[in-house]
Amino acid sequence: DGGITQSPKYLFRKEGQNVTLSCEQNLNHDAMYWYRQDPGQGLRLIYYSQIVNDFQKGDIAEGYSVSREKKESFPLTVTSAQKNPTAFYLCASTQGGANTEAFFGQGTRLTVV
Amino acid sequence: KQEVTQIPAALSVPEGENLVLNCSFTDSAIYNLQWFRQDPGKGLTSLLLIQSSQREQTSGRLNASLDKSSGRSTLYIAASQPGDSATYLCAVRGTYKYIFGTGTRLKVLA
Repeated sequence: DGGITQSPKYLFRKEGQNVTLSCEQNLNHDAMYWYRQDPGQGLRLIYYSQIVNDFQKGDIAEGYSVSREKKESFPLTVTSAQKNPTAFYLCASTQGGANTEAFFGQGTRLTVV
Repeated sequence: KQEVTQIPAALSVPEGENLVLNCSFTDSAIYNLQWFRQDPGKGLTSLLLIQSSQREQTSGRLNASLDKSSGRSTLYIAASQPGDSATYLCAVRGTYKYIFGTGTRLKVLA
């Protein structure tokens, strides 16, 4: 079945540590996105990529980094510069173009310990 | 700057009731609007996608309408069931990204 796989489901980060969240899709979609979800707030865009080897900052990119070396993969690294990383992270993809449906993964919950 | 608002923030109804969830947005220059469902601790499941040129979309007991000129969309759920209990999110698509509302948390009582 086609879909988006995020791993791990739960992740714990120590202070000062970098961690990487995985996002893989087998939908052959061109565009991929990373969102952050906090209680009581809407989803906020961290980074997006419309094509391989290209990505742009979203609204809250500080303290995060991404890469897009393969069409199916869009990993997100939460760096030590992100001061409040505890949140639910969601990855999404679309076919590309503005009139296509977005599909989401099951999310990764990151907690700072 | 596009802003998306969903009212009410929470809703509790008895099973079998028909209900309407509201979504409003400030900038009518959108490509499409999508409704999602989110269960606790889970990702988003797409329910309905309405293109900017469309007025409504239907899927089973769900009907979504779009009035772009007034910046409003509604999600109508017919004959609600306890399994419909979840948070419902709307998102509008701009040039390159989706802007989300904060959602309506729905509880259907058996």
